[in-house]
Amino acid sequence: NAGVTQTPKFRILKIGQSMTLQCTQDMNHNYMYWYRQDPGMGLKLIYYSVGAGITDKGEVPNGYNVSRSTTEDFPLRLELAAPSQTSVYFCASTGQYYGYTFGSGTRLTVV
Amino acid sequence: AQTVTQSQPEMSVQEAETVTLSCTYDTSESDYYLFWYKQPPSRQMILVIRQEAYKQQNATENRFSVNFQKAAKSFSLKISDSQLGDAAMYFCAYRSANGNQFYFGTGTSLTVIP
Repeated sequence: NAGVTQTPKFRILKIGQSMTLQCTQDMNHNYMYWYRQDPGMGLKLIYYSVGAGITDKGEVPNGYNVSRSTTEDFPLRLELAAPSQTSVYFCASTGQYYGYTFGSGTRLTVV
Repeated sequence: AQTVTQSQPEMSVQEAETVTLSCTYDTSESDYYLFWYKQPPSRQMILVIRQEAYKQQNATENRFSVNFQKAAKSFSLKISDSQLGDAAMYFCAYRSANGNQFYFGTGTSLTVIP
């Protein structure tokens, strides 16, 4: 039982490049989330999904896009990377009555 | 939206001693869940303890326990017999019983002094 798997763990992007952060869960959770955590700060919600085909914006969605074609996968797309997107990104999932299960995070640097 | 407040940005404790981390929240709901997460330097987010609002009994997990005061909207975490491995950032979180989102506090950085 792998839980929530995020790839890659580290990535350096140049300004203007694009990339997709992958997130997969094997717990059949309906709810999935993407957070970013800036140095010394708490978690900010980027996007979330309550089921396949349904996504919604969180607190800081600008510069990101998501899709949810299956229950298992919830990729986060960065278009035209900017230095302000340098952060650690966490994917999480949950069932209805439980706490989050987090992925191990992706450390992204935009230079 | 609900708000979660952690008023202690940093705390320190001597090894083997007890420390309490504070958390308050603001909600008009009667049914919800509260959580404490630990984030060590590895950055992995780890669930420490969970409390259902409808339960009067405080949750306990080994050396970790909570003091849940529903009327006061307070949810503190007590760590007994502190160990070096307890050093981490601790986040308090709130979730509605029928909601889709969690609301996190800004975190408390705990240092354990040998």
